[in-house]
Parts: sequence; C-alpha cells; structure tokens
Amino acid sequence: QSVLTQPPSASGTPGQRIIISCSGTIPNIGSHTVNWYQHLPGTAPKLLIQYNNHRPSGVPDRFSGSKSGTSASLDISGLQSEDEAEYYCAAWDDNLNGWVLGGGTKLTVL
Amino acid sequence: EVQLVESGGGLVQPGRSLRLSCEVSGFTFDDHAMHWVRQAPGKGLEWVSGISSNSANIGYADSVKGRFTISRDNAKKSLFLQLNSLRAEDTAVYYCAKAERGGLYSGADYWGQGTLVTVSS
Repeated sequence: QSVLTQPPSASGTPGQRIIISCSGTIPNIGSHTVNWYQHLPGTAPKLLIQYNNHRPSGVPDRFSGSKSGTSASLDISGLQSEDEAEYYCAAWDDNLNGWVLGGGTKLTVL
Repeated sequence: EVQLVESGGGLVQPGRSLRLSCEVSGFTFDDHAMHWVRQAPGKGLEWVSGISSNSANIGYADSVKGRFTISRDNAKKSLFLQLNSLRAEDTAVYYCAKAERGGLYSGADYWGQGTLVTVSS
C-alpha cells in the first residue's frame, strides 16, 4: 500500500489529453513539492516535473503538473505512442522522514 | 553529462550481505544529496534510503531500517548501500539517484540504470 495514491492504469488515443492524479496527505503533498517521473521497463526513470509544475530542460511542453492542497496532477496533452510508460508521483514525508512515491500509473496509448 | 553507474548486485542467499556502489560523474558530487530507490519484480518504485550532501542527515524506509546502511565518499564521488540480513522481499533492481540539492528532502533528478539484487537459496 503506497502512501501516495495513483490510479493503477490510464489509457488514451494519440492526440488525446490524459490527467493522472496523485493523492496524499498533509505531511507529504500538503507540505512539500511534488515530482513526477516517467519509467520505461529496463531503463532509468526520468524526471518529468519538479517542484509541482516545473519542467526540466528537454521535457516536452505537452507535460505539465499542478498541485492543490494534498493532491497533485500530471497533465499530458497531445498523447503520443512514445508516452506509453509507467508514471510516478513523489514527495517528501515529514512523518516518515523519507521520500514516498505513488504506486505508479501504467499509461497505455491505444 | 550526468552519469550514475551502479554495481555490486547479484544472487545472494537469505541472511547474507551485499554492498552496492554507485559511481558518478558530470556534476559536483558533494553539493548533492543522494538516494537509493528499488523496484521489486512486478511492483512500483520504492524509496529505500537517502543521504544529504555532507552525510549529516540520513533516512531509511521502515522496510530496511536496521538492516541497510547508506554511506558516501565525496572524495571518490561514490555512494554505497550495505545490505545485511537480506530477505527474499529485498529482491529488486536498485537504482542510485542524484538529488536536486544538498538536503535529504531534495528529490531525485537523475537516475542510474540500476543493479539487480536477487535473494534466493
């Protein structure tokens, strides 16, 4: 059972917009910024969004993030086949004194 | 270019020990906290441990507390994870990750390719 809650799966067709949610509590998302990662099997996870809504250099502007209260969201617009991957949210947790991650959302591009 | 290369994984019997290493390049190692994150077969990513840039602050997941020890050698630009009293449920790919800043609370921005640890008799 992950501390941060994500839907286990999501799907969409090319060009569509997808939103992946991440629900936490006050000690984590409610008090700290959220990062989002993209992970393809057998590869190194990649940072997509940091500090809730900042895209690192090289990340397409199709990816955006937001946070409100104890929840965060990853928005992917103009879905492409190469976006098919697992997506994770992460935040620091004051109670656990460590990083917590969501269980991951497997995105399928139909 | 930031690079992180893990090593030290392998097949080990339950109850035995293993030491993982992560050699880095492409950034000022002693300015950044570092983390270990693992992924068990068929499971999601799980944060294992983190260490601040000057080793003053260290944290562990409850699942490994008392069994795993994180350390770093800033002179050698290396991160380590000592895994003791290994259990079958520790079987996973272990990733080394560079943090955005020096504090332990700082999240990861670059990750290595991972090293596989298999605990089995």
